[in-house]
Amino acid sequence: GNSVTQMEGPVTLSEEAFLTINCTYTATGYPSLFWYVQYPGEGLQLLLKATKADDKGSNKGFEATYRKETTSFHLEKGSVQVSDSAVYFCALSDLNAGKSTFGDGTTLTVKP
Amino acid sequence: DAGVIQSPRHEVTEMGQEVTLRCKPISGHNSLFWYRQTMMRGLELLIYFNNNVPIDDSGMPEDRFSAKMPNASFSTLKIQPSEPRDSAVYFCASSESGYTGELFFGEGSRLTVL
Repeated sequence: GNSVTQMEGPVTLSEEAFLTINCTYTATGYPSLFWYVQYPGEGLQLLLKATKADDKGSNKGFEATYRKETTSFHLEKGSVQVSDSAVYFCALSDLNAGKSTFGDGTTLTVKP
Repeated sequence: DAGVIQSPRHEVTEMGQEVTLRCKPISGHNSLFWYRQTMMRGLELLIYFNNNVPIDDSGMPEDRFSAKMPNASFSTLKIQPSEPRDSAVYFCASSESGYTGELFFGEGSRLTVL
């Protein structure tokens, strides 16, 4: 079956530090890959996505590249802000099955 | 544009009571998903519908849980009888036709069973 493994948290960084959150996946076929972000008290919202190998998704300074050879989709940001504090979820979608598989989430805290 | 709307946002009830959570998906979306989020188990898919038909309910914990989607604009998740271990945040999400994989989540219903 499909699975997503995320870097364990929590992650605590100082403002303007570089962020990497690792994500690897196991899937049959060619899934689409996603990063979602959940702010306190809210639902998950899409941060970025990539639908095929070597695609780079980007949004709000965050980036992730779909690496088929390493089955990875690591999230990066060059300079984090306090407002980036949230829980980040890596996910893959199985378009044939019509459903998504989520990682366990990584909590990021950015301190001023 | 209205997003996915869930109600109630918070529910506190006593063990043994019936709980009904409601969801209105985004208009035009034809897939609907119910998730449960807890600290211990993370985000779990309970059930999903496509064109109002339940496709996979293998994540529903037990017979106490049931879900319906009587039309394209409304779904319910019912727990009867509720137990303290059902305490969690329940999310509804919808996806547009042709399933691109992108999910649009509601703000969740936080359930506390005493």
